[in-house]
Amino acid sequence: DGGITQSPKYLFRKEGQNVTLSCEQNLNHDAMYWYRQDPGQGLRLIYYSQIVNDFQKGDIAEGYSVSREKKESFPLTVTSAQKNPTAFYLCASSRGPGLRDQPQHFGDGTRLSIL
Amino acid sequence: GQSLEQPSEVTAVEGAIVQINCTYQTSGFYGLSWYQQHDGGAPTFLSYNALDGLEETGRFSSFLSRSDSYGYLLLQELQMKDSASYFCAVPYSGGGADGLTFGKGTHLIIQP
Repeated sequence: DGGITQSPKYLFRKEGQNVTLSCEQNLNHDAMYWYRQDPGQGLRLIYYSQIVNDFQKGDIAEGYSVSREKKESFPLTVTSAQKNPTAFYLCASSRGPGLRDQPQHFGDGTRLSIL
Repeated sequence: GQSLEQPSEVTAVEGAIVQINCTYQTSGFYGLSWYQQHDGGAPTFLSYNALDGLEETGRFSSFLSRSDSYGYLLLQELQMKDSASYFCAVPYSGGGADGLTFGKGTHLIIQP
């Protein structure tokens, strides 16, 4: 079955440490996204990528970085510059540019906490 | 910027019908989507409206009025498994595949 795999499911970060969250999809989708969700809140867009080797900042990109070297993979690095990283991180994908009605498919998320 | 407003919580009885409203403010309009999320889970797509009117998909329907910047999700024959959070969303910047701006979500509580 095709889908999106996020790992790890739970992640703990020490102060001053960078951590990388993995997101892999086998849906052959061109576009991928990262969202952050805080308790009782909606999802907020961190970064998005419409095609390989290209990505754009979303609403809350500060303190985060991404890469898109392969169509299947869109890892997110939470840097030490992100002062409040504790949240639920969701990765999603969709078919691609120019398709506004295409649904986004989400992974099961990674919960990041500060030690 | 863009913003979406929806009630934080709605309570309904099993077997009944419930409507979850969403009003939005955007610089341009490129469609309204709805997603369902169970506690601790991944959001799943429910519907998309680009034109005025009602879209029906089984027990779920979604309505849009572009002149009122308003939409709603209608859930019929409520089941306990429909207890979840429901989010309305619009495209982040208008282009295709550029992410979504979500409302804060409506927590639907279903009572037996």
